[in-house]
Amino acid sequence: EAGVAQSPRYKIIEKRQSVAFWCNPISGHATLYWYQQILGQGPKLLIQFQNNGVVDDSQLPKDRFSAERLKGVDSTLKIQPAKLEDSAVYLCASKQGQFYLNTEAFFGQGTRLTVV
Amino acid sequence: SQQGEEDPQALSIQEGENATMNCSYKTSINNLQWYRQNSGRGLVHLILIRSNEREKHSGRLRVTLDTSKKSSSLLITASRAADTASYFCATAYTLAGGTSYGKLTFGQGTILTVHP
Repeated sequence: EAGVAQSPRYKIIEKRQSVAFWCNPISGHATLYWYQQILGQGPKLLIQFQNNGVVDDSQLPKDRFSAERLKGVDSTLKIQPAKLEDSAVYLCASKQGQFYLNTEAFFGQGTRLTVV
Repeated sequence: SQQGEEDPQALSIQEGENATMNCSYKTSINNLQWYRQNSGRGLVHLILIRSNEREKHSGRLRVTLDTSKKSSSLLITASRAADTASYFCATAYTLAGGTSYGKLTFGQGTILTVHP
């Protein structure tokens, strides 16, 4: 079974530029998450989708971050404009079935963003 | 905050010894999950324990859950150098009526180093 695919793996941008990350979840997984992991910390949830609908985006900085999951499969996360404090690894995860089920989440390798 | 807190922050042991990591959380949960993260493989799911379970085993891993104390422990027996990684607990908390919200909230992690 193919895992969660993310691209790019690494990205370096200057502050105030924009950047986009792409995620392809495991086939058939209805729930998709985007997490931000700053060096030395645990992952922090940014947004959670159920199919193409948003379940939770309470911790997404909506003035600069946006995410979509058109057609309930692939997802993109965008930052515009980027700040230095956005330097982190952005992790995508997916899980089978409804978001409220007791099932494990599968994570991609992440995109390491460096803002200079 | 629902975030779990792992203890200790760092643990250094010799190969063959057992490693115990603890996780505490603040509110009622539906399930608690343990993940491992190393630079080579990203975040990998280890084990999920439901709120009505007290102990679970998987290979060399043993997880306990004490909902009265709002705590969990992960025991790795006969550790190997390949177990060197960061270990995170993640909680999914309940809504009224007992349905898991599905939002996984991670702690800061325990860094485990196993010396050959």
